[in-house]
This record gives sequence, structure tokens and C-alpha cells, in this order.
Amino acid sequence: KAGVTQTPRYLIKTRGQQVTLSCSPISGHRSVSWYQQTPGQGLQFLFEYFSETQRNKGNFPGRFSGRQFSNSRSEMNVSTLELGDSALYLCASSLGTVHLSGYTFGSGTRLTVV
Amino acid sequence: DAKTTQPNSMESNEEEPVHLPCNHSTISGTDYIHWYRQLPSQGPEYVIHGLTSNVNNRMASLAIAEDRKSSTLILHRATLRDAAVYYCIPYAGGTSYGKLTFGQGTILTVHP
Repeated sequence: KAGVTQTPRYLIKTRGQQVTLSCSPISGHRSVSWYQQTPGQGLQFLFEYFSETQRNKGNFPGRFSGRQFSNSRSEMNVSTLELGDSALYLCASSLGTVHLSGYTFGSGTRLTVV
Repeated sequence: DAKTTQPNSMESNEEEPVHLPCNHSTISGTDYIHWYRQLPSQGPEYVIHGLTSNVNNRMASLAIAEDRKSSTLILHRATLRDAAVYYCIPYAGGTSYGKLTFGQGTILTVHP
């Protein structure tokens, strides 16, 4: 079956711009989580959505936001980009009861802010 | 979140078993122990998880100490493809909703 699909794979943006990243979960998975990975901070949790509702949020500024659609696809948006937002953004999906099977991650979107 | 301690790096030879330790002495009684790995240029990959009993799947085995303060991921026959960063993550489920707390992990190098 198809895995978690993230688009685009690579993105270059200018400081001050905004960006939208997309994540299509595995069919049937209703939970989608987002993570930021940088060399300095490692993998950090951004937020999690289930059935179009945000259930959990990490410690990131309000410039980082997300949403989930009725088909479980999710988008995250970063407004007013800063150089420090350059990172690999990963999404992960699960059935919602993670203890049954764990999370499946996508390959990520590499965002470079210049 | 429970704190974890893992070796920064480990090395193995191909086709030999590998034992990756993790200390999680502050783990809650209801936290499951999850293991993920991340190959270069890829997202993390789920490996295995367990609560109290030892667990096996096609990828690995997970041995959990009786007091649950430590666990060991066992790769029975390492291959070059197993070279990755391995993360041990106590996960509460419930209100944790999607929040896996990744530490620095263990970089596993596999020699041919």
C-alpha cells in the first residue's frame, strides 16, 4: 500500500514569505503528526491532528499552524519565514491507536529559507 | 516526558547480532517503549514497541527489563541496510496524541 506522501520534497523560500507543506497519510489513517528536524535541535514535535481536530501542540511559535481535511490529508503553514525555519519537515500518520502499529513517517520536505 | 539515555554510537559487523541499549529509569508505568530508526535522508521508521513483555517482529526483538527501567533492541543479524540512527522513545499514548519525544539516539555503523 502507498506510504505517507509529502509534497513538495524540496522548497526554497525567502525570509518573510510564507509556505504551505502537504501530507497525505496512509489510507485509513486518521492521525497526522508533524515534526521539524534540524541538526541542532533534532526531531521536535509540532502538532497532531485527528479527525480534523488538533489534539496536541508542541512548543513552537504561532507562525507555525496546521489543519487537517475530511479525507485526513494535512497541511502545515509557516508564516513570516525566518532563516532558522530551515529544516526537514516530517509528517507521520497512524490509525489513531498508536500502540497497535506505531507511526509511519514520510520522507519529509526539505525547506531552505534564504 | 521520561528521559532516555542511549550510547552515542555503536559499531557492528555484518551478519552479527547487535544489542542496542536504552535506559529509561523515569518511565511511567503506563508508557510503552517504542523504537524507531532513521536511515540517511529518510524519515524515521517504526521498528518495534512493547510494554512489559519481550516482543519480536520481523525486524527485531525488544527485551524489556523486569523493572522497566531499561530495554534492549536486538537486531539478530545486522545488514548494511541496518546502519541508521536508533531512537528509544517512551510513549504514553493517551493524551500524548502523536508526540514522540526523540532524543539523540544511537548511531549504528555496520561494517561489511
